[in-house]
Amino acid sequence: EAGVAQSPRYKIIEKRQSVAFWCNPISGHATLYWYQQILGQGPKLLIQFQNNGVVDDSQLPKDRFSAERLKGVDSTLKIQPAKLEDSAVYLCASSPPASGGNTGELFFGEGSRLTVL
Amino acid sequence: AQSVTQPDIHITVSEGASLELRCNYSYGATPYLFWYVQSPGQGLQLLLKYFSGDTLVQGIKGFEAEFKRSQSSFNLRKPSVHWSDAAEYFCAVGALNTDKLIFGTGTRLQVFP
Repeated sequence: EAGVAQSPRYKIIEKRQSVAFWCNPISGHATLYWYQQILGQGPKLLIQFQNNGVVDDSQLPKDRFSAERLKGVDSTLKIQPAKLEDSAVYLCASSPPASGGNTGELFFGEGSRLTVL
Repeated sequence: AQSVTQPDIHITVSEGASLELRCNYSYGATPYLFWYVQSPGQGLQLLLKYFSGDTLVQGIKGFEAEFKRSQSSFNLRKPSVHWSDAAEYFCAVGALNTDKLIFGTGTRLQVFP
């Protein structure tokens, strides 16, 4: 079974530029998450999708970050314009449909490391 | 407020030694508790989880964790560490009927031969 695919693995940009990250979840996984992991910190949820609808985007800085999951499969996270503090690893995760609530088994991609200069 | 505390930022052990990584949580509802491991340049992998029942749970790679409600803790243990266990370990808490996980700041484990 293929895992969660993310690209690019690494990206270096200057502040005020834009960047986009792509994620393809495990086939059949209805829920998709984008996490931000700043160096020395744990992952922080940015946005959660259920199929192609947004479940939670309360932690997403909407003035500069946007995300979409067209057709309920792959997803794109965009940052425009980037700030120095956006330097982080952006992790995509997916989880299968769960009956009766949280199974906790999130399957993570390898992440996209962003450096903003 | 919901939170997870991992008091140890960095732990160093010798190969073959026992290991205990600490995790304390603060959560108003019945917690679901998880330990994830992140090897360098990799995503996070689930080691084990606690939902209910036996408070001692077994995971992959020889890890186990014990849920202690009175201490709000969910410490991770391994009796004999292998060099390949060097990684970052994250404790996380979730709630019933949600998919949201709150992660701690992680503990980096270094293993000396």
